Amino acid sequence: KAGVTQTPRYLIKTRGQQVTLSCSPISGHRSVSWYQQTPGQGLQFLFEYFSETQRNKGNFPGRFSGRQFSNSRSEMNVSTLELGDSALYLCASSLDGQRDTEAFFGQGTRLTVV
Amino acid sequence: GIQVEQSPPDLILQEGANSTLRCNFSDSVNNLQWFHQNPWGQLINLFYIPSGTKQNGRLSATTVATERYSLLYISSSQTTDSGVYFCAVVMNTGFQKLVFGTGTRLLVSP
Repeated sequence: KAGVTQTPRYLIKTRGQQVTLSCSPISGHRSVSWYQQTPGQGLQFLFEYFSETQRNKGNFPGRFSGRQFSNSRSEMNVSTLELGDSALYLCASSLDGQRDTEAFFGQGTRLTVV
Repeated sequence: GIQVEQSPPDLILQEGANSTLRCNFSDSVNNLQWFHQNPWGQLINLFYIPSGTKQNGRLSATTVATERYSLLYISSSQTTDSGVYFCAVVMNTGFQKLVFGTGTRLLVSP
């Protein structure tokens, strides 16, 4: 069974640009969550999607958005990039996104904003 | 919000030594997971352990939910155990939103 797949693995973008990251969950999993990891703030929750609906959102500005498709694949978008958006973005997949289900993570996308 | 604290922040061991990593959380939780972050950034699942004790090879974990802590034991450590270990919890309300601790950075030297 394939794991969680994130693409691309690495990205370099310029301030002011926008970026789209992709996540394909484990087959059969319908919940996808996104997390940002930075040296200063650690691992922080961005948002969670289930059946194409955002059910939960973390404390991030509106420049961070996402969506989920009918096949459960998810994308997140960051517009008007800032230097502080440089981070490792991790996607997690779980069966149904309920509190008592196990989450599995992809390899991450490392974004560098210059 | 819930606070998750891990100790120690850094740990250096000789190969073959044993260690205990601790995770304290400030509120009741519905879910607790331990992860090992490899050098490439991926979080590898070690245990899903909201309560009780589990073992997997040289690793074992215990969560005492009523006292709000979890322990990860690593026995006979190997250099490949090096990396950062995170615990993450999910509160008893709402959908799954993992709250991570700050991690324990482990270095195992040969």
